[in-house]
Amino acid sequence: DSGVTQTPKHLITATGQRVTLRCSPRSGDLSVYWYQQSLDQGLQFLIQYYNGEERAKGNILERFSAQQFPDLHSELNLSSLELGDSALYFCASSARLASGADTQYFGPGTRLTVL
Amino acid sequence: GESVGLHLPTLSVQEGDNSIINCAYSNSASDYFIWYKQESGKGPQFIIDIRSNMDKRQGQRVTVLLNKTVKHLSLQIAATQPGDSAVYFCAEGLGGAQKLVFGQGTRLTINP
Repeated sequence: DSGVTQTPKHLITATGQRVTLRCSPRSGDLSVYWYQQSLDQGLQFLIQYYNGEERAKGNILERFSAQQFPDLHSELNLSSLELGDSALYFCASSARLASGADTQYFGPGTRLTVL
Repeated sequence: GESVGLHLPTLSVQEGDNSIINCAYSNSASDYFIWYKQESGKGPQFIIDIRSNMDKRQGQRVTVLLNKTVKHLSLQIAATQPGDSAVYFCAEGLGGAQKLVFGQGTRLTINP
């Protein structure tokens, strides 16, 4: 158990709908990262928040948005869903290791199925 | 459980043998590298990391080797066990793990 929690575990919805995925980072971690993992794309970085502010942006569609709240939990909002959005969505939070480098600890993921 | 990357490269080894998983990274400026293990239905799990000022780092049963000349990273697992069956990802970062770029992954299967 990494200490990162994500809800829901599974989500099934229809095209055109909007969903919200939730993530709670490890205690004390200020950074939250969102990734999409599909069968043909591997792990794709979407966006990072640090202490409530957007820090880095990856391959995130305009239909997707995220935010990090004062209690440091984060939500990923996916709208106008398409079949191709079906994937695993992971949240990770970062901690500083003894090596002096940050690493990212991943949650269990949310499986999104768009029908 | 979930199937990730049905078309991933696959490495099959005998239980008890050593495994070597290879990764070619893309950015010569990357200064931080991580190996993750992902079991079916779970999120990626941190295994070991290495900074670019090192060429070797050892953990418990695992060793990571970094060859910056050819932009190559490898993960060696000693005395492979059934629980090592998973997809293994390498990731590279610049300035730490702020923005990791993941490799495609390799599926490791253990033969009894």
